[in-house]
Formats: sequence, structure tokens, C-alpha cells
Amino acid sequence: ELKVEQNPLFLSMQEGKNYTIYCNYSTTSDRLYWYRQDPGKSLESLFVLLSNGAVKQEGRLMASLDTKARLSTLHITAAVHDLSATYFCAVDANTGNQFYFGTGTSLTVIP
Amino acid sequence: ETGVTQSPTHLIKTRGQQVTLRCSSQSGHNTVSWYQQALGQGPQFIFQYYREEENGRGNFPPRFSGLQFPNYSSELNVNALELDDSALYLCASSLRGQGKGYTFGSGTRLTVV
Repeated sequence: ELKVEQNPLFLSMQEGKNYTIYCNYSTTSDRLYWYRQDPGKSLESLFVLLSNGAVKQEGRLMASLDTKARLSTLHITAAVHDLSATYFCAVDANTGNQFYFGTGTSLTVIP
Repeated sequence: ETGVTQSPTHLIKTRGQQVTLRCSSQSGHNTVSWYQQALGQGPQFIFQYYREEENGRGNFPPRFSGLQFPNYSSELNVNALELDDSALYLCASSLRGQGKGYTFGSGTRLTVV
């Protein structure tokens, strides 16, 4: 079974600082997705990464995918309080029907 | 374009009872997947439906079953509820083969007492 690990699990950072969340997975896949979840809410799609070397950016967030290293990163630039949420990566095991989610990274941005 | 809608939003059931959760997929999507998210954890795949047939199943017992209807809406049924079934149940729709991932509904919070 495909395993997906995120680190850190909890992240507390000050506004204006930069940080990176890591997502490692155990089986070959070239499809990786990042989602955001606010407390008690559903999952909001952030990025879709579909090939080795893919890089996507939206505002203060940038995601990348290295399929050879089985690693994706979510980089936060100059954090603001509105980014406080839990972030999940999810890997499609090339079956087309099942995503394997990481454990999530709970991000708190402190003013 | 309507998103994914789920009902009910919250539900409390007694151990041993049965429950049915409902989902309407996003317009234009033909595939529906169900996930269970326990508190503090990532979503776990239950199963997926495509063309009204089950198209993949995660590590869940047979008392978890589902249906997909011709209009692509779906139901998740859970029999003989156990306390550990308490979780947020998420429905997600997608267009098969598009590779853009899921659109998730807002979920149904099930509490089993």
C-alpha cells in the first residue's frame, strides 16, 4: 500500500517568515495534489502537479514535484494569518480511482 | 457551475443502526468517490463509483456500501454502525481521465453514540 508522509505535522510560524512543508511517498506516481482544509470544513484544491519537475504558484504558496525522489514541497513565502489551516498532500497511485492522503500539516501563523 | 453538495451536514446515530448519506456531484463530473476522515487524520478512501458501478474500494468492510445513480449522484450506506465510524464523510466528484483531481463536498459529520 502506498504510504504518504508529511512533515512537519504541526507548524507555528510568525507572519512574514518563509517555510516549507514536505510530502514524501513510497510508490512511483506522477500525480500529486495539495489541498487546504479549514477547521470543520471540507478540502479546497490548491495545486495539481502532473509531471516530474512541475512547479505551480498561487499567491504566497508554491508547490513542486520531484517524482524521482518521490517528494513534493509546499513553500510558504511571507506568511500571513489567513494561511492558517491544515494542508494535505494526496498521491494518485496511477490507478485513477484512489488518492492516498498524507497525515496533514497543521499550520498556525502568529501575528 | 454547481459544486458538490452533501446531506445531511450532521447526524447522530446509535451503535448498531444504519445510515445513508447523500451526495450530488458537480455538474459535468461522472465519477464519485467517498472518503472517511477521522478527527486529526487525513481522508481515507472508501470507494469510487463510475457508470453506476463500484470502481475501486479501500480497506473498508462490506457493511460500507454505495450506489451511483444515472444523474451521477451517489449514496453511502453504512450498516451496523460502530463507535469508530464516527467521522467526517466526504464525497468528491471528478471527470474521469481529466487528471485534475477531485472537487470535495462540505461533508457529513457522523457521530455514533
